[in-house]
Amino acid sequence: SQQGEEDPQALSIQEGENATMNCSYKTSINNLQWYRQNSGRGLVHLILIRSNEREKHSGRLRVTLDTSKKSSSLLITASRAADTASYFCATDPNTDKLIFGTGTRLQVFP
Amino acid sequence: GAVVSQHPSWVICKSGTSVKIECRSLDFQATTMFWYRQFPKQSLMLMATSNEGSKATYEQGVEKDKFLINHASLTLSTLTVTSAHPEDSSFYICSARGHITSSPLHFGNGTRLTVT
Repeated sequence: SQQGEEDPQALSIQEGENATMNCSYKTSINNLQWYRQNSGRGLVHLILIRSNEREKHSGRLRVTLDTSKKSSSLLITASRAADTASYFCATDPNTDKLIFGTGTRLQVFP
Repeated sequence: GAVVSQHPSWVICKSGTSVKIECRSLDFQATTMFWYRQFPKQSLMLMATSNEGSKATYEQGVEKDKFLINHASLTLSTLTVTSAHPEDSSFYICSARGHITSSPLHFGNGTRLTVT
């Protein structure tokens, strides 16, 4: 079964606005990762945050992790039309495989 | 960065035939490869995990005799959908990882399978 639940399922914003996506998971983890998927393509790794980290930045991306609440958020600042894609969180529940969340479909209008 | 090539990108086949999908790591040794299936507007469902030189580990509910996985080398894994049915139509995506289990996955661009 899927490990993570994400919300919102879909998000539409204007260019320049910030986009926030949330991910909740069920079991303890070693790390949590965020991936991006353009329509009909494979996934691209965005950022990894370890279980002992609380916040991480990469360019316009900011990820937070709250292990007590078993949740993470991905913030994309100053969004661009090219950010339009689906975003998935993924966790490794102390195994060697990744379990993906349900995903958030982001639409950024120019 | 690490590149994973998946081929073909799309395939149409008739019911009852078999289809082979290849996944190659081009610039690193893929100790472990994962095969996922994705339905429209849904998440990725893990089908199986394969380690080079050993039998694949299938997730619950995935028929190993229908979805044959071979990982004969550190750069190539194949998924064969045998006796395909229309309900097997889906988007299949492979991913690969080196020997560090906590490292990110590198994904192929997926294969759109349509069974008529």
